[in-house]
Amino acid sequence: QKEVEQNSGPLSVPEGAIASLNCTYSDRVSQSFFWYRQYSGKSPELIMSIYSNGDKEDGRFTAQLNKASQYVSLLIRDSQPSDSATYLCAVNNFGNEKLTFGTGTRLTIIP
Amino acid sequence: SQTIHQWPATLVQPVGSPLSLECTVEGTSNPNLYWYRQAAGRGLQLLFYSVGIGQISSEVPQNLSASRPQDRQFILSSKKLLLSDSGFYLCACKVTSGRYEQYFGPGTRLTVT
Repeated sequence: QKEVEQNSGPLSVPEGAIASLNCTYSDRVSQSFFWYRQYSGKSPELIMSIYSNGDKEDGRFTAQLNKASQYVSLLIRDSQPSDSATYLCAVNNFGNEKLTFGTGTRLTIIP
Repeated sequence: SQTIHQWPATLVQPVGSPLSLECTVEGTSNPNLYWYRQAAGRGLQLLFYSVGIGQISSEVPQNLSASRPQDRQFILSSKKLLLSDSGFYLCACKVTSGRYEQYFGPGTRLTVT
């Protein structure tokens, strides 16, 4: 079983709609959760971090964490063509200096 | 905030040749440093990480090695490259104790021919 799982996509969403990206993790002691955006040919860019259960909003992005169900999601409101990228979910376990990454979900926003 | 530099940006090397990739960090001190590789269409594979000068943890047994000669310098090396070493090499840093966000440099794209 993979430690961090994401649907590889591609996920196609019309411009202006809400894009919903999901990630599940296997280790119950995971404490910190991150979403990275990676444009083709570029390095990953941190866009959201979440440490507590519930929702965290930052502009058009909302991260949602449910530790009981072991999933974390990223919502992108009013999707724009510039949101087309691969989104990587990453998880950290308490006291561990490493992150475990999922393989990413490729998102395409259709104009 | 920190800035991560990597060079070279791209590299084409023949099989069996040596490799040296460099990563330097500005704007912070005593960061954790990480080397990742991303093969074409694949996820991020952690290769090495370092919590301080001279302290290297290896995650994957292979023909690569890493060194940290200075606080903000991290070097990835190989004596003899394999075709399978091709990929996008990313350096990352973690700058805040007690928090686990990592920030990535621009990467080096390596093609072994």
